[in-house]
Amino acid sequence: AAGVIQSPRHLIKEKRETATLKCYPIPRHDTVYWYQQGPGQDPQFLISFYEKMQSDKGSIPDRFSAQQFSDYHSELNMSSLELGDSALYFCASSLGLLGEAANYGYTFGSGTRLTVV
Amino acid sequence: AQSVTQPDIHITVSEGASLELRCNYSYGATPYLFWYVQSPGQGLQLLLKYFSGDTLVQGIKGFEAEFKRSQSSFNLRKPSVHWSDAAEYFCAVGSNDYKLSFGAGTTVTVRA
Repeated sequence: AAGVIQSPRHLIKEKRETATLKCYPIPRHDTVYWYQQGPGQDPQFLISFYEKMQSDKGSIPDRFSAQQFSDYHSELNMSSLELGDSALYFCASSLGLLGEAANYGYTFGSGTRLTVV
Repeated sequence: AQSVTQPDIHITVSEGASLELRCNYSYGATPYLFWYVQSPGQGLQLLLKYFSGDTLVQGIKGFEAEFKRSQSSFNLRKPSVHWSDAAEYFCAVGSNDYKLSFGAGTTVTVRA
């Protein structure tokens, strides 16, 4: 079965550079969520999109922006990278919002490991 | 706001022994509860979830969890662990604001 695809798997950037992470949800899923997991930390919610509109926002720095496109894939853009941005970034997708998609829940991708040097 | 507490940071268990991972949540309404497993460098795999109905939930890989509203708990259990169960386990609570809040995770080590 198709899963959530994230690219790239690994990314190394220098401080103050820009990075773009991509997420391709499971076919027919219309909701995408982004999470950040620092070393030894639990995943923290960043932002979510439902039907190409931002549905919720968590602890996402102003240097980060994201959008969901017409084909439902999403991109997380990160500018002026800092060492503290080094983390595993997860994308998850679902059909509908969590409260409405009770029978589906989330499916996570394998993540993009961003290292800022 | 919802929150999740996993009291045990690290658990070591012998292969073939039973395993129980604790999870307590804080949420005003009926929560959506999840258990995920993460192997090193890998993504989060859903083990099981609870939304309503039967409070004993069966998941993949032989795991089960029981929702106890009176104790605000959703503990994960497996009767007999295998070496491949060594991983980090996250409990998470979801709500109608559409995002998950994760616990800090419990690392499980399986000894031969």
